[in-house]
Amino acid sequence: GENVEQHPSTLSVQEGDSAVIKCTYSDSASNYFPWYKQELGKRPQLIIDIRSNVGEKKDQRIAVTLNKTAKHFSLHITETQPEDSAVYFCAALPYGGATNKLIFGTGTLLAVQP
Amino acid sequence: DTEVTQTPKHLVMGMTNKKSLKCEQHMGHRAMYWYKQKAKKPPELMFVYSYEKLSINESVPSRFSPECPNSSLLNLHLHALQPEDSALYLCASSQWRGQGNGYTFGSGTRLTVV
Repeated sequence: GENVEQHPSTLSVQEGDSAVIKCTYSDSASNYFPWYKQELGKRPQLIIDIRSNVGEKKDQRIAVTLNKTAKHFSLHITETQPEDSAVYFCAALPYGGATNKLIFGTGTLLAVQP
Repeated sequence: DTEVTQTPKHLVMGMTNKKSLKCEQHMGHRAMYWYKQKAKKPPELMFVYSYEKLSINESVPSRFSPECPNSSLLNLHLHALQPEDSALYLCASSQWRGQGNGYTFGSGTRLTVV
């Protein structure tokens, strides 16, 4: 089955700096890669996603890149703000597969220092 | 309506109690999920329902019993739980097998077993 590794587990940046979180997946059948932001005590919220037929996707200060050959995908946050502080989870899903089973990475605690 | 609604938000129950968690969505999603999340850990899949039928049970103990009465509702019946079952229980929904745009999570039920 799918296994998703995520690094780093914690990341501290100064406000205005960029933050990068990296994930690797094992199942080449995975073709949908969402990123979730979870603030303390709240639900995971989808912030950006990418499908395997696209190499990069951007939404304002957030971007995701995908390298299918290396089975890597990364989240890039530019001009970080204190409100970006949260736990970020990457995930992988063999969309169109038999199970629709979303597998999460272990999470990255991002702290943006004012 | 683009939300998944979970009730109750908080639940404290004794080890001999029977209680139920409820989840509702009106997005026309035909897949619904129960996840369990411990502090500082990623969500862990428990059950998957597709078209109101149980398609995945991730070897969850029988003290957790899911039910999907119709395409909009998902319940999780709890009986004889243990203190280690205390966690955030998240419901999610999505289109099935390649359609739509990923999972939408409810705000969760924070369960404490005493």
